[in-house]
Amino acid sequence: GESVGLHLPTLSVQEGDNSIINCAYSNSASDYFIWYKQESGKGPQFIIDIRSNMDKRQGQRVTVLLNKTVKHLSLQIAATQPGDSAVYFCAEKGRSQGNLIFGKGTKLSVKP
Amino acid sequence: EAQVTQNPRYLITVTGKKLTVTCSQNMNHEYMSWYRQDPGLGLRQIYYSMNVEVTDKGDVPEGYKVSRKEKRNFPLILESPSPNQTSLYFCASSSRQGNQPQHFGDGTRLSIL
Repeated sequence: GESVGLHLPTLSVQEGDNSIINCAYSNSASDYFIWYKQESGKGPQFIIDIRSNMDKRQGQRVTVLLNKTVKHLSLQIAATQPGDSAVYFCAEKGRSQGNLIFGKGTKLSVKP
Repeated sequence: EAQVTQNPRYLITVTGKKLTVTCSQNMNHEYMSWYRQDPGLGLRQIYYSMNVEVTDKGDVPEGYKVSRKEKRNFPLILESPSPNQTSLYFCASSSRQGNQPQHFGDGTRLSIL
């Protein structure tokens, strides 16, 4: 069946360093992937998305990489700041157009 | 301000007492969805709606009902709540059917005793 998972449940980085959050997916037919950030007490907030016809997409301080060969997705955050501390979720489009499957999340902690 | 609004934000109730969690969005979005979030399990989709009068089951629909009579509202109904439905619930919406970022509400924490 479909599953979206994460290699590391927690990640601790020093302020100013780059962060890399990884995600594995199992459905090779998935054509849309998305990263969300969830701060404590709030709903998930969109960060960046990527379609399967791309390998890389950049936003402001964030980059998403898609490796379809090994079904791997990663989120890179440049110059990590304390405000980046949150739980990060990857998600993929599931079995139908409206179905979205989330990973279990990675908690990012930024040390000052 | 563009937003997804859920009510109530918190609710403690008892087994078997019907409840409804409302969700409203002011962005004229076609697509709306409900998720539950449990520790260690991430977010799991309960139901979604591609447009008015169109609803589909997500991955964990058992014990829930939804309706989409108008575009802005997508209530989640628990006809006979049970303790295993104690969870944090999120409603989300997006402008098109799939492959678009979803805007999330701030969540509803339900405790079923």
